Amino acid sequence: EIVMTQSPATLSVSPGERATLSCRASQSVSSNLAWYQQKPGQAPRLLIYGASTRATGIPARFSGSGSGTEFTLTISSLQSEDFAVYYCQQYNNWPTFGQGTKVEIK
Amino acid sequence: EVQLVESGGGLVQPGRSLRLSCAASGFTFDDYAMHWVRQAPGKGLEWVSGISWNSGSIGYADSVKGRFTISRDNAKNSLYLQMNSLRAEDTALYYCAKDMGLAVRGVIIHWGQGTLVTVSS
Repeated sequence: EIVMTQSPATLSVSPGERATLSCRASQSVSSNLAWYQQKPGQAPRLLIYGASTRATGIPARFSGSGSGTEFTLTISSLQSEDFAVYYCQQYNNWPTFGQGTKVEIK
Repeated sequence: EVQLVESGGGLVQPGRSLRLSCAASGFTFDDYAMHWVRQAPGKGLEWVSGISWNSGSIGYADSVKGRFTISRDNAKNSLYLQMNSLRAEDTALYYCAKDMGLAVRGVIIHWGQGTLVTVSS
């Protein structure tokens, strides 16, 4: 099983600032990496797949990068609706998720 | 509009069985792989199982292998999860989820709202 490790566990950011979230895989997953956003009481939403391709309807302020074992999700200018928990997920083998990064208001 | 509606959750004793169902609508069901993903209370997401469009490829997380069985009925636009030998650690909200394509890739583009399974004596 491929283990996904996200950092930090919690990120405190002011609205309008940039947020950078990291995700590391225990072995190479190539570019088979997705990011999801989950708000309290809601199902997750796909943001990014293929490490850097935005899903339908996702604003351009969300961007993904990386390949192999190191990945980054960047939110260029945080909006109020972006405060949530973010999960990375590899799908190079049977899928596994990271433990999540909570983005909270500073 | 894509809709995935889970049912079958509830309170069950350890060691017993439960069958979850997911009714799909708003898309051509047999054009997509499907998954079950769970989330324990206050915890993160855990992929449980996935099935390809024609049931030819099926996978399970190590934590449920040998106890859970995924299946689908394309004629009924339905996905199922048979859960046997349930344990306390299986307590979670179980999401039915739609993949991006025919094969079990794992890129999940639609999610249901979940059905809660509680395993307790």
